Amino acid sequence: LAKTTQPISMDSYEGQEVNITCSHNNIATNDYITWYQQFPSQGPRFIIQGYKTKVTNEVASLFIPADRKSSTLSLPRVSLSDTAVYYCLVGDTGANNLFFGTGTRLTVIP
Amino acid sequence: GAVVSQHPSWVICKSGTSVKIECRSLDFQATTMFWYRQFPKQSLMLMATSNEGSKATYEQGVEKDKFLINHASLTLSTLTVTSAHPEDSSFYICSARVQIVAGVIYEQYFGPGTRLTVT
Repeated sequence: LAKTTQPISMDSYEGQEVNITCSHNNIATNDYITWYQQFPSQGPRFIIQGYKTKVTNEVASLFIPADRKSSTLSLPRVSLSDTAVYYCLVGDTGANNLFFGTGTRLTVIP
Repeated sequence: GAVVSQHPSWVICKSGTSVKIECRSLDFQATTMFWYRQFPKQSLMLMATSNEGSKATYEQGVEKDKFLINHASLTLSTLTVTSAHPEDSSFYICSARVQIVAGVIYEQYFGPGTRLTVT
């Protein structure tokens, strides 16, 4: 199971683009990269999932370099409501033990 | 997206009593559900994997006799905290796994969580 490393916290001003990078040096061939968002006293919310290159949806983009040893979640033009903890998970999505690391606490400042 | 519900959203119980938490997949069937526990300011810790029609698989350090898991149908898993003590007070979150690409890609959707306080 690939271990992940993320910054503990980040601050950003409203309206800016935020990039959160996750390191996963021992990612395996079958592993996917999944990002979740969690607000206080709520369950995590699925944001985006990818295997390689770039994935984009209505909420975020996920950039994965060719070696897949890291990934970057990009949130365009953040608002105050994006203040949350963001978790990067790496693993075989069919596995029964997806591991939540420490996450990145993003604070959006007015 | 897939919706997972939990009931109750919060519960307060006295030490020594048992509490049951329900996790339901509302618009899909889930053969596999997961139970997590989260203490304040900490990350989610996987407690067990709940498989429909079979016994749950518990993570190391989680007492199976204390945290009883039943996955009786494809849309319902329950977690019963037996003989609860104050140290069991926590935020309990369930999730359900959805198959996106057969045998290859899955996504996990989480419930809103249940806040358990044991007095």
